[in-house]
Amino acid sequence: KNEVEQSPQNLTAQEGEFITINCSYSVGISALHWLQQHPGGGIVSLFMLSSGKKKHGRLIATINIQEKHSSLHITASHPRDSAVYICAVDATNKLIFGTGTLLAVQP
Amino acid sequence: DAGITQSPRYKITETGRQVTLMCHQTWSHSYMFWYRQDLGHGLRLIYYSAAADITDKGEVPDGYVVSRSKTENFPLTLESATRSQTSVYFCASSRDRYGYTFGSGTRLTVV
Repeated sequence: KNEVEQSPQNLTAQEGEFITINCSYSVGISALHWLQQHPGGGIVSLFMLSSGKKKHGRLIATINIQEKHSSLHITASHPRDSAVYICAVDATNKLIFGTGTLLAVQP
Repeated sequence: DAGITQSPRYKITETGRQVTLMCHQTWSHSYMFWYRQDLGHGLRLIYYSAAADITDKGEVPDGYVVSRSKTENFPLTLESATRSQTSVYFCASSRDRYGYTFGSGTRLTVV
């Protein structure tokens, strides 16, 4: 079993929809990261969380340390949000990555 | 410009050849990392460095060598490339192990 699990693996949405991507982990962590990767592109850090909730524009990330779960929400989704979203946890001096969620937002 | 740069962006090499992927950062971040990204595996740590002249193995170090003689450079060498090393390689840096910045990646194909 992977130490970091993301769901869903693939997600197709219509423009304007509210999107949720989930991340569960099974190890103790000091922080959790949400990353974005466009097709053929580099990796961009969206959020780093150790507790609570963060918001940046249309993106919201939450974490529940007790339940070992985090969610990434995208409000009013847009085709430019189409990308792979990766959850990574900072555990014992290394990042452990989920396999990513491929999001396609159709106009 | 400040940032983290990887070179080359694309590389095709033959089995058995030595290949070096370069990573350069301009922030003087202490930590630097090399990851490989493969379908179905996500990103996996190859090697990391906490400071100049300090390196350590990650999850998948076999067949790779790193060095860090200067803080800003962290080259990754494939001593004798194999087809299984065909992958996308990402370098990352971090000042304090809380914020990470990734390079644009190197797509390596071993034929």
